[in-house]
Amino acid sequence: EIVMTQSPATLSVSPGERATLSCRASQSVSSNLAWYQQKPGQAPRLLIYGASTRATGIPARFSGSGSGTEFTLTISSLQSEDFAVYYCQQYNKWLTFGGGTKVEIK
Amino acid sequence: QVQLVESGGGVVQPGRSLRLSCAASGFSFSSYGMHWVRQAPGKGLEWVAFISYDGSDKYYADSLRDRFTISRDNSKNTLYLQMNSLRAEDTAVYYCAKAMIMIFLMDVWGQGTTVTVSS
Repeated sequence: EIVMTQSPATLSVSPGERATLSCRASQSVSSNLAWYQQKPGQAPRLLIYGASTRATGIPARFSGSGSGTEFTLTISSLQSEDFAVYYCQQYNKWLTFGGGTKVEIK
Repeated sequence: QVQLVESGGGVVQPGRSLRLSCAASGFSFSSYGMHWVRQAPGKGLEWVAFISYDGSDKYYADSLRDRFTISRDNSKNTLYLQMNSLRAEDTAVYYCAKAMIMIFLMDVWGQGTTVTVSS
C-alpha cells in the first residue's frame, strides 16, 4: 500500500496570506495525485487532480505542483472560506488518502 | 444538478448488519463507477469500495472485503453498501462518491450517512 504523509498537521495562516501544504508518497505515484477540501460537517470537494489541474469551478488561487513522491498545494491568498482540512489522495495504485492538513485562522 | 443522497445509517449493535443506499440524480448513473468512502469521528478519509459502471468489477479495501459488499441497481439509479458483522471501529460517516473517467478519482460526493456501532 502506498502511504501518503501530509505536513504540517495544522497550519495557522492569516487571511490574505499564502498557504503551502505538503504531501509525500511512500513510492512514486507519477502525477496521479489529487487534493480535496473538507469543511466541518461537509463532504470533501475535489480541488486538484493530475497534481496540478484544477477541478471545475475551483478558483485560480488554488494551485498544485509536484510529481513522483513530493507534492504541494498552494493557496495564494487565503479567503475566509478556505479555512478547512485538506487531503491529498494518490490514485496511481489503487487509492489512498493522506492524513490531512488543517488550515486554521492565525 | 448532480446529486448523491445517502441513507440507511443509524445505530446498530456489534455483530449486526446494515445496508446503506445512495440515490443518484442529475447525471447518467449507469455510465460511471461509484465509490464508498468513510470517515471515523475526528479522523481522516478511508476508502471502502468501488464498483464499475455496470457492476462487473468490484474492489475493496483489504481490511473490509470479507464483511462489506458493494452493489448497484442502474434501473433505480442507486448504489448500495451491505455491511455485515459490524464492529465498533466501523463507526463513521459513510459517503458515496461518483468516480471520474480515471476511476479512482471522485468528483461528486454525497453528504454522508452516519453509522454508529454500539451496544
